[in-house]
Amino acid sequence: GAVVSQHPSRVICKSGTSVKIECRSLDFQATTMFWYRQFPKQSLMLMATSNEGSKATYEQGVEKDKFLINHASLTLSTLTVTSAHPEDSSFYICSARGTALQETQYFGPGTRLLVL
Amino acid sequence: AQSVAQPEDQVNVAEGNPLTVKCTYSVSGNPYLFWYVQYPNRGLQFLLKYITGDNLVKGSYGFEAEFNKSQTSFHLKKPSALVSDSALYFCAVRDMGSSDMRFGAGTRLTVKP
Repeated sequence: GAVVSQHPSRVICKSGTSVKIECRSLDFQATTMFWYRQFPKQSLMLMATSNEGSKATYEQGVEKDKFLINHASLTLSTLTVTSAHPEDSSFYICSARGTALQETQYFGPGTRLLVL
Repeated sequence: AQSVAQPEDQVNVAEGNPLTVKCTYSVSGNPYLFWYVQYPNRGLQFLLKYITGDNLVKGSYGFEAEFNKSQTSFHLKKPSALVSDSALYFCAVRDMGSSDMRFGAGTRLTVKP
């Protein structure tokens, strides 16, 4: 299947700093990219959906100024956690899909964020 | 609105026995249904999907799932479980015409030798 990479895989930062996570589709053009957050032993929570070249659509309760999403090309999306706090510590997973809705969504390996 | 239910938090089976992980869904239109597997500290790996056509879908690693429209179910099955199948399994649904995919809560499968 298609490959989605995510970088970094793990990051530890101090409270108040910003962290950028990159998500790349390596062998297909990702018209739509998704960012999820997963708490321990829980399911994935959709944070936002972005289409290339457009502003991201955020799910209810997700602060768009806190979680900045950029989808500047068909192979790259970034999530920036601004002024991170310990409660932002989580496992962040990106996902990418091609143009057709019936296409499979492929997931990155995830980024473990720990804010001290 | 679309939703998915995985009624079992945990499924335990012995190696070599058949396994079933249950999933039921709710959509307003026709569903696209997916199964993913997650190993510790990893993202989700795609197993199989149902879009249209044959109700029995075969996927990776010997897994299969059967779409049952009348029961709104999409249970994941494997004839003979392996210890290496132990992982967290997620069922997901997308309503035809919708961009969003909704996930079930996940089922932890443990296969004991």
